[in-house]
Amino acid sequence: EPEVTQTPSHQVTQMGQEVILRCVPISNHLYFYWYRQILGQKVEFLVSFYNNEISEKSEIFDDQFSVERPDGSNFTLKIRSTKLEDSAMYFCASSENAGGPGEQFFGPGTRLTVL
Amino acid sequence: AQSVSQHNHHVILSEAASLELGCNYSYGGTVNLFWYVQYPGQHLQLLLKYFSGDPLVKGIKGFEAEFIKSKFSFNLRKPSVQWSDTAEYFCAVILYNQGGKLIFGQGTELSVKP
Repeated sequence: EPEVTQTPSHQVTQMGQEVILRCVPISNHLYFYWYRQILGQKVEFLVSFYNNEISEKSEIFDDQFSVERPDGSNFTLKIRSTKLEDSAMYFCASSENAGGPGEQFFGPGTRLTVL
Repeated sequence: AQSVSQHNHHVILSEAASLELGCNYSYGGTVNLFWYVQYPGQHLQLLLKYFSGDPLVKGIKGFEAEFIKSKFSFNLRKPSVQWSDTAEYFCAVILYNQGGKLIFGQGTELSVKP
């Protein structure tokens, strides 16, 4: 069964460093998403991406964040200068369509720890 | 702002007990509703979903949920839980025609004692 994969599973970085979280969505899916979950809090939407551009982004997704689909298979989330409060579990998801009956399939997550 | 509320933070049950997890959302328009489950060490998986039609939907592993539009609710039920149902359960909504952004509740941790 096709699945969304994410690498790395755990990333430890120093505050101020750049990190890139990687995701490989399901191959025939067109819509891609990043969510995050700070320990003990809700899963929060960060950004959605379709047709090589951002469809929607949340207030959390400020200028420190960017997304890219560099090669037609990977979907990356970059945090330019990490802060302590960026420590969270980051989930990638993909779906065939958006807003309607499309189920979002989630990856296993990357745990980001900022020291 | 639209939000999803799950009433129970942590539920502890014995095997064979019945389960009901509450979920309410605040949005007056059309929504699509989901329950996701996250087993320990695993990723979020879809349990069931509601888009239209019969408000009682059945999902995997014997779970079902009922959409009550007048109460803005989508409660999850299972008549008899098993130890393997121990997991975190998330209710989520998509606001129709608003780009597919899932809005999650805070999650309910279910512990089933053998």
